[in-house]
Amino acid sequence: GQQLNQSPQSMFIQEGEDVSMNCTSSSIFNTWLWYKQDPGEGPVLLIALYKAGELTSNGRLTAQFGITRKDSFLNISASIPSDVGIYFCAGFIQGAQKLVFGQGTRLTINP
Amino acid sequence: DTGVSQNPRHKITKRGQNVTFRCDPISEHNRLYWYRQTLGQGPEFLTYFQNEAQLEKSRLLSDRFSAERPKGSFSTLEIQRTEQGDSAMYLCASSLAGTGGIQYFGAGTRLSVL
Repeated sequence: GQQLNQSPQSMFIQEGEDVSMNCTSSSIFNTWLWYKQDPGEGPVLLIALYKAGELTSNGRLTAQFGITRKDSFLNISASIPSDVGIYFCAGFIQGAQKLVFGQGTRLTINP
Repeated sequence: DTGVSQNPRHKITKRGQNVTFRCDPISEHNRLYWYRQTLGQGPEFLTYFQNEAQLEKSRLLSDRFSAERPKGSFSTLEIQRTEQGDSAMYLCASSLAGTGGIQYFGAGTRLSVL
């Protein structure tokens, strides 16, 4: 079945640093989504990407849909304490309807 | 609050008991999804509805699991004869057809089977 490989699995950074994480797949997706999940809560949508090569920003977050449609990355600039959490990439295939998720990247920020 | 609502937030049950969870989607959304998430993993798809029709079920959804969306609005997920392996976070999401895969998630129901 489809699998997304997300890396790194965890990151420990200092406040103010930039963060980069990525997702790769053996399958082609129509849409890439990035979610953030806090402990005990559901995933919250951060960014949606619809076209190969698309670069989209949401505040300090920037994400790109890879040219091959098999990968995506998420950058967070100037990290702040509230960025702590688990970030998930998810791929969507038109017709299949379900989202396929990566394993998550756990971000920890040292003040 | 017009987001996806799930109840209860937490459920502790003994092995062998039946449990039922409820999901109220965003009101204008015609698609509703159930996912299961275990510790340290991303959510895994279980099933989805378009209006009241259940259109796809994952192989993860054993015969002990049943989901309904009787009037195309709220949905219920029932697990019969719970097992310890059913312990997980059960997430509900909703979407509007034609929006390219964007799904909005509820806060989840955390099930602990003792």
